[in-house]
Amino acid sequence: ETGVTQSPTHLIKTRGQQVTLRCSSQSGHNTVSWYQQALGQGPQFIFQYYREEENGRGNFPPRFSGLQFPNYSSELNVNALELDDSALYLCASSSRLREEDTQYFGPGTRLTVL
Amino acid sequence: GESVGLHLPTLSVQEGDNSIINCAYSNSASDYFIWYKQESGKGPQFIIDIRSNMDKRQGQRVTVLLNKTVKHLSLQIAATQPGDSAVYFCAEKDTNAGKSTFGDGTTLTVKP
Repeated sequence: ETGVTQSPTHLIKTRGQQVTLRCSSQSGHNTVSWYQQALGQGPQFIFQYYREEENGRGNFPPRFSGLQFPNYSSELNVNALELDDSALYLCASSSRLREEDTQYFGPGTRLTVL
Repeated sequence: GESVGLHLPTLSVQEGDNSIINCAYSNSASDYFIWYKQESGKGPQFIIDIRSNMDKRQGQRVTVLLNKTVKHLSLQIAATQPGDSAVYFCAEKDTNAGKSTFGDGTTLTVKP
């Protein structure tokens, strides 16, 4: 176990709805990254949060947004859900104390959009 | 743009044999690489990493080799065990943005 937790574990939504996914980082970690993993593919980087600010973003539209809180936990929000948003959403926490900070992944939230 | 890919989507080996999983990358500026293992229903788990100023790095039963000339890296697993069955991803990391670019994975199956 990595110490990174995510909630909920599974979620079913319909097109057009909004969803919020949550992540608690490992103790001592101040950086959280979010990834989308479609079935049979590798994780795709959505964005990273460091000290409550977005610090790097992948090729995802603005309807994907996030927050990081003072305790370093984080939320991923997706508006106007589309069928293609169905995927496993992973968060990973790390510490910026070292250049090559190892990312520790949570178990993910499986989102199904109908 | 950058991409990271694996040569084979599946690999089947006999228990006790050595496994070699390959990965090719296209971004010449990549300077840090990581191998992850992902078991069913779990998030990716860090296995081993290597910087571009190294050619080889060893861990417990695992070795990563990096060939910058042909932009290729490999993961070698010694004495493969049933518990090694999983999907293996290589990733290139942008250490400034914290972004890891993953390939699509190789599914390793270990036959008893």
